Amino acid sequence: EIVMTQSPATLSVSPGERATLSCRASQSISNSVAWYQQKPGQAPRLLIYGASIRATGIPARFSGSGSGTEFSLTISSLQSEDFAVYYCQQYNKWPPLTFGGGTRVEIK
Amino acid sequence: QVQLVESGGGVVQPGRSLRLSCAASGFTFSSYAMHWVRQAPGKGLEWVAVISYDGSNKYYADSVKGRFTISRDNSRDTLFLQLNSLRAEDTAVYYCARGAKAFPALFDPWGQGTLVTVSS
Repeated sequence: EIVMTQSPATLSVSPGERATLSCRASQSISNSVAWYQQKPGQAPRLLIYGASIRATGIPARFSGSGSGTEFSLTISSLQSEDFAVYYCQQYNKWPPLTFGGGTRVEIK
Repeated sequence: QVQLVESGGGVVQPGRSLRLSCAASGFTFSSYAMHWVRQAPGKGLEWVAVISYDGSNKYYADSVKGRFTISRDNSRDTLFLQLNSLRAEDTAVYYCARGAKAFPALFDPWGQGTLVTVSS
């Protein structure tokens, strides 16, 4: 099973600032990583797949990068609606499909 | 628009069973793989099971293998999850999610979830 590890667990950022979230895979997974956003009381939403491809309707301030075992999600200028929990997920070797533990982005 | 609506959650005693449903609309249900993903209270996401578009292939997380069964009825655009021999650690919100067309292992979109509480 591929283990996905996200850091930090919590990120405190001021509105308008840049946020960078990290995700590490326990073995190489090429670019088979997706990122999801989950707001309180809501279901997750797909943001990024293929490590860097934005899903339909996702604003350009969200970008993803990385390959192999190291990946990152960057939010270039945080808006109020971006404060949420973000999860990475690998889909290179499955089953099982696995998620990272999540990074909470909170208002500083 | 694409919509997934789960139902069937509730409070159940350990060792008992429950059947969850996910009603799909707004897309050709029979063309997509479908998943169940769960989230324990205050915790992260855990993939549970997937079923291929035609129901011929099914895969499970080790934590539920042999106890849970995923199925679908393409004539009714409905996905199911049969939960047997429930344990306290199965307490979670259960989401159904559509696999993406080109990447069946992606989850897009998700339903709103249904809460299963296993407690005596």
